[in-house]
Parts: sequence; structure tokens; C-alpha cells
Amino acid sequence: DAKTTQPPSMDCAEGRAANLPCNHSTISGNEYVYWYRQIHSQGPQYIIHGLKNNETNEMASLIITEDRKSSTLILPHATLRDTAVYYCIVNDGGSNYKLTFGKGTLLTVNP
Amino acid sequence: NAGVTQTPKFQVLKTGQSMTLQCAQDMNHEYMSWYRQDPGMGLRLIHYSVGAGITDQGEVPNGYNVSRSTTEDFPLRLLSAAPSQTSVYFCASRRTSGSSTDTQYFGPGTRLTVL
Repeated sequence: DAKTTQPPSMDCAEGRAANLPCNHSTISGNEYVYWYRQIHSQGPQYIIHGLKNNETNEMASLIITEDRKSSTLILPHATLRDTAVYYCIVNDGGSNYKLTFGKGTLLTVNP
Repeated sequence: NAGVTQTPKFQVLKTGQSMTLQCAQDMNHEYMSWYRQDPGMGLRLIHYSVGAGITDQGEVPNGYNVSRSTTEDFPLRLLSAAPSQTSVYFCASRRTSGSSTDTQYFGPGTRLTVL
């Protein structure tokens, strides 16, 4: 079963920041936090990942708490195209390539 | 690069029929996998492969067979389709020879209905 807990749904106004939380209280020291999203039944798409430092790329920012038990994905200026199911996944990389998906958070961006 | 491609996009089968879902990638990725996604659920791993000639079972392997004769292709076979196999099937691939955190790339999916 998934090692992460996410709210089932969230709403966000277009142009505002979307902050998606994820709890991973049993994360191990060598496990990374990955975020993927799935737009309207398309294949999942990688967004960002991190170990303990905050990370930013062209799509989003990832904030990981100091104890690593939770994280927040931030979409700084949400658009209607960001409406999707967002999955938070923990994985140790290495030789474990299997991703365990929970139900994720359905983010709805409203005009 | 075409990335990960899947065929067909849609398929309707009758109970007991067999078929093969095709998956191909042109990124020379060693690792390939198959997932299924039922309505309102996350993806569940069916089978995976870390290279040509090597396959292993995932979380829900029953009713499915796979083989990996080339790096590029990873077909998924349904030997005798059942209504419980109605689902959306996703293929994914990633490198294993690069960074330990290389990401996975997913195909567009095959929507299968078994009547």
C-alpha cells in the first residue's frame, strides 16, 4: 500500500498558487519524494522530486519539512491546464524502480 | 523521440478472447513496466522488466503474461480476457544506467473493455 497520504481533492483559483500537501511520516532516510500528475486519464507525467532540500524547476517547487515527514508541491501560478490528479510517491531510487501510486489529489483550477 | 508508444488506443474484447497490448520506447531505456488503472484508483503494477530477457511480477500479475525479447518492446498478453480486466493500461520506461532518480516516462494508455 502507498506510503503517502494526500487529500482527495482541492480547488484553486486560476492565477493563484496551488499548494498540495503530502504526508509521508514513515519515509526512510534514503527515500526520495516524487510528484507526478495525470491530466484527464493521460499517462502520468513527472513533475519534480527531492530528498531533503527544497527543489524548484520550471513546473513547480517542492518544499520538504526538516523532519521529512511531509512535503508540499507548489504550482506558483495555476492555470486551467493544471487541473489534474497529483500523486506524491516515495521511492529510494537505487534499484527499486517500482512506483507505488495512491489515489492522489484531484486539483481543480477554477476560472 | 516518440517516447513511449502504446497500441491500440481502444479495444473491446469478449470474455475468453486473447490479445496483446503493444508498448514500445525509443529512448533505449532498460526498465519497462505495465500498470493498470481502474476508475477512481491509482495505478497498480502488473509486470516489469529490467532488461531484455528479464521480467518479473508486480502487484497484480494474474491473467497477464509478458516477455522482453528486445530493449524497445514490452508486450502485455491477456490469455483469456475476463470482465475484471476492463481497465486502462499504461506502459512506462526509464533508464537504469543513469542517475538513481531518473524519472519514468509513461505512454498514453490503452483503454480495454471486456464484455
